[in-house]
Amino acid sequence: KQEVTQIPAALSVPEGENLVLNCSFTDSAIYNLQWFRQDPGKGLTSLLLIQSSQREQTSGRLNASLDKSSGRSTLYIAASQPGDSATYLCAVKDQAGTALIFGKGTTLSVSS
Amino acid sequence: GAVVSQHPSWVICKSGTSVKIECRSLDFQATTMFWYRQFPKQSLMLMATSNEGSKATYEQGVEKDKFLINHASLTLSTLTVTSAHPEDSSFYICSASAPRGGAGEQYFGPGTRLTVT
Repeated sequence: KQEVTQIPAALSVPEGENLVLNCSFTDSAIYNLQWFRQDPGKGLTSLLLIQSSQREQTSGRLNASLDKSSGRSTLYIAASQPGDSATYLCAVKDQAGTALIFGKGTTLSVSS
Repeated sequence: GAVVSQHPSWVICKSGTSVKIECRSLDFQATTMFWYRQFPKQSLMLMATSNEGSKATYEQGVEKDKFLINHASLTLSTLTVTSAHPEDSSFYICSASAPRGGAGEQYFGPGTRLTVT
């Protein structure tokens, strides 16, 4: 059964720092991987979707990489801002049509 | 982009009553919808997978007689929490999968916060 792990569970950084969030999954035969942002008490905002054939995706200050063979993904946030403070969730889909399996998330706090 | 709505956004009910939550795909037809539950400071846990016109598939440990799922059309799925108890208080999020081929992306609703008193 697929399991998704995110490290660290929490992270505090000063504004302006570049940071990396880590995600690992136990079964490397995935269909795609997605990163989400969740603000307290709110729903999910999709940040980046990486198909299994892709190595990375970029959107603004965010860059997500995927290494299927090692079962890892990283989310890189450049020049962090207080508005980036949220919980970041990594999720994998094993096959098309199946549900995303989520990690427990990394709660990020960016101080000004 | 694809939009998924949920109604209500929050609900408070008394123990022993039933609550229905609606999940709608507004601008696309979703053959598959997923229901997740999220307890405070926990991640999303899949409860069930719902395919239009057929019975839902429940994850291990989720009581199908307590959490009734109906997916009668390509744009609407409902989750009914029957005989709710305080331990059912949680954040319920639905997700719809677009039938367009290739990406297999899931689109998420904004969630429903259920509080059982």
